[in-house]
Amino acid sequence: QVQLVQSGAEVKKPGSSVKVSCKASGGTFSSDTFSWVRQAPGQGLEWMGRIILLPLVTNYAPKFKGRVTVTADKSTSTAYMEVSSLRSEDTAVYYCAREIRDNGDFFDSWGQGTLVTVSS
Amino acid sequence: DIQMTQSPSSLSASVGDRVTITCRAPQSITSYLNWYQQKPGKAPNLLIYAASSLQTGVPSRFSGTGSGRDFTLTISDLQPEDVATYYCQQSYITPYTFGQGTKLEIK
Repeated sequence: QVQLVQSGAEVKKPGSSVKVSCKASGGTFSSDTFSWVRQAPGQGLEWMGRIILLPLVTNYAPKFKGRVTVTADKSTSTAYMEVSSLRSEDTAVYYCAREIRDNGDFFDSWGQGTLVTVSS
Repeated sequence: DIQMTQSPSSLSASVGDRVTITCRAPQSITSYLNWYQQKPGKAPNLLIYAASSLQTGVPSRFSGTGSGRDFTLTISDLQPEDVATYYCQQSYITPYTFGQGTKLEIK
C-alpha cells in the first residue's frame, strides 16, 4: 500500500474550475495507476477516471469526458484531477485511489478525500 | 456502463450474527469484483478483491464468493466495529462502477 495525501477543501462558484492534488509516498509512482472517485453528500461512490503512468494513458467515464482532466507529475509523485464548468451537482467528496492492475484490478490505497463545495 | 445491483440496501443484525450481502452484474464480469467497507466520514477500505481474495490485514471473518454475475460478501461473527456501508465494485471494464451500497447496523 501507499500513502495518499490530498489537498484541502475548496469552495467554488458555479462555472469555475477546481484542481485537486493527491501526493503519493511509499510506492513506485512512475509505474502506478491512480483513479478518482467522488461521493456526493449521502450518496454512493462514482468512478470518474484514471491515469495509468506506464504506459501513459488516461481513461474517463463518459459522464465526465470533456469536463474532467486527470494528470500526474512524476517529479513530485503527485496526481491531479481538474473539473471544469462546475455546477452545484458537483458538490462532493473527491477521492484519489491507487489501482492495482494485477490479479484483478482493485483500489488498495485511498486518499483522505477532498470536499469540493460548489455554491454561488 | 455495467450497473451493479446490491442487496439489501440496509440491514440490521446482532453481534455474533452471520451477515450476507449480495451483488449482481447484468453480464458476466468473471471474477473482477471487489468489496469495500466505508465508515462515516472516512475513505473506503478494500476488504475483498478478485471476488474472493482477502486483502492483507482484513479480519478473516470477512469472505467473498462468486463469479460470473453473482457475488456474495459474508461477515461471520459480526462485531460492533463492522458498522459501516459496504460497496461492491466491478473492475471488468471501465467505467468502473459500484453498487449502491449496503448500510449495516447493529441491533
